Amino acid sequence: DAKTTQPPSMDCAEGRAANLPCNHSTISGNEYVYWYRQIHSQGPQYIIHGLKNNETNEMASLIITEDRKSSTLILPHATLRDTAVYYCISMGAAGNKLTFGGGTRVLVKP
Amino acid sequence: GAVVSQHPSWVICKSGTSVKIECRSLDFQATTMFWYRQFPKQSLMLMATSNEGSKATYEQGVEKDKFLINHASLTLSTLTVTSAHPEDSSFYICSARDWGTSAIYNEQFFGPGTRLTVL
Repeated sequence: DAKTTQPPSMDCAEGRAANLPCNHSTISGNEYVYWYRQIHSQGPQYIIHGLKNNETNEMASLIITEDRKSSTLILPHATLRDTAVYYCISMGAAGNKLTFGGGTRVLVKP
Repeated sequence: GAVVSQHPSWVICKSGTSVKIECRSLDFQATTMFWYRQFPKQSLMLMATSNEGSKATYEQGVEKDKFLINHASLTLSTLTVTSAHPEDSSFYICSARDWGTSAIYNEQFFGPGTRLTVL
């Protein structure tokens, strides 16, 4: 599974969009990009996943570059409850194990 | 989404004792469950993969005789920390894969975690 790189931390303002980047320059053609988040002292929560098309659900949007070497998770209107560590993970569809990197610690400020 | 529970949510034990942590999938059948460990301010580290009815597969460096995993049914996996020591104090998290809905992609549902403190 390809390695992903994320900034260690970022702040964003409540009510504004939060754009979380992820670099996965060695991703292979059959690997998906998954995003999870972990609120303090809780288990991780699935957010969204994609292969090559942009995806949107009730939580977030996922923008994947055409060359698939990077992606951006967008929280359209960040709230204080979105403060968490966000993990970007790449893995093939047949893969089994999620390997968590360092993630991005997002602090939403009033 | 599917729900995974863990019990207990926290436990304090004396050094040398064994502690059992349960992981249950409440509204789906999980042929595969995973156990993670997380130390403060660190990321999750996969300990083992548990398949119903077969032996667990442990990650490199994880002692299988110390961390006993049993996945006897499609809704229950247990992790037993044997002869626990203070260095085993950590946040233990399980996850389960619902093959019924996630056969194509790898959505996993995580439990709320169990905080173990060994005195």
